[in-house]
Amino acid sequence: SQKIEQNSEALNIQEGKTATLTCNYTNYSPAYLQWYRQDPGRGPVFLLLIRENEKEKRKERLKVTFDTTLKQSLFHITASQPADSATYLCALEGGKGRNNDMRFGAGTRLTVKP
Amino acid sequence: DAGVIQSPRHEVTEMGQEVTLRCKPISGHNSLFWYRQTMMRGLELLIYFNNNVPIDDSGMPEDRFSAKMPNASFSTLKIQPSEPRDSAVYFCASLLAGAYEQYFGPGTRLTVT
Repeated sequence: SQKIEQNSEALNIQEGKTATLTCNYTNYSPAYLQWYRQDPGRGPVFLLLIRENEKEKRKERLKVTFDTTLKQSLFHITASQPADSATYLCALEGGKGRNNDMRFGAGTRLTVKP
Repeated sequence: DAGVIQSPRHEVTEMGQEVTLRCKPISGHNSLFWYRQTMMRGLELLIYFNNNVPIDDSGMPEDRFSAKMPNASFSTLKIQPSEPRDSAVYFCASLLAGAYEQYFGPGTRLTVT
């Protein structure tokens, strides 16, 4: 069966450190993968997209990697800040080649402590 | 732009009642999605529309759920009759043609007692 697993339900780190979140998937062959941020009481907000032929993507303090052999994406936040505390969701293109069929992981709740 | 608008933000109803959730997508976006989020199951895609036409409703849990999009600026998700296990946060999202980034609304928190 198809699965999307994010490494842990919760991750606590100290301010200034790098947070690394993991997204593993099985029985998908996504053409691309996205990461979203969700704050309590709000809808998810898009952060980054990485395509299957891209190894790494960066945006400011964010870095995403995508390894189609390992079927894994890593999401890094460098120099983390308390304001980065949120739940982060990975989402895969569902395999139908359409950009309107995204499947979401359960999310990892990140807490950055001052 | 006001973003995706959902109403109501909170809904509390008794089992057996009909519930209607509403969504106004971002103007110009031609795809609309309904999701349900719970602690147990995460964010699940229920149904999506392209140009007001339902494309994939395989995520709709059962016949008690129905969705319509009568025009490009309005969609409803109806549950009739509602059950306690329908309690969740329901999100609507929209997407611009050719783009990848979905824009989510603030969600409707539904509680069925």
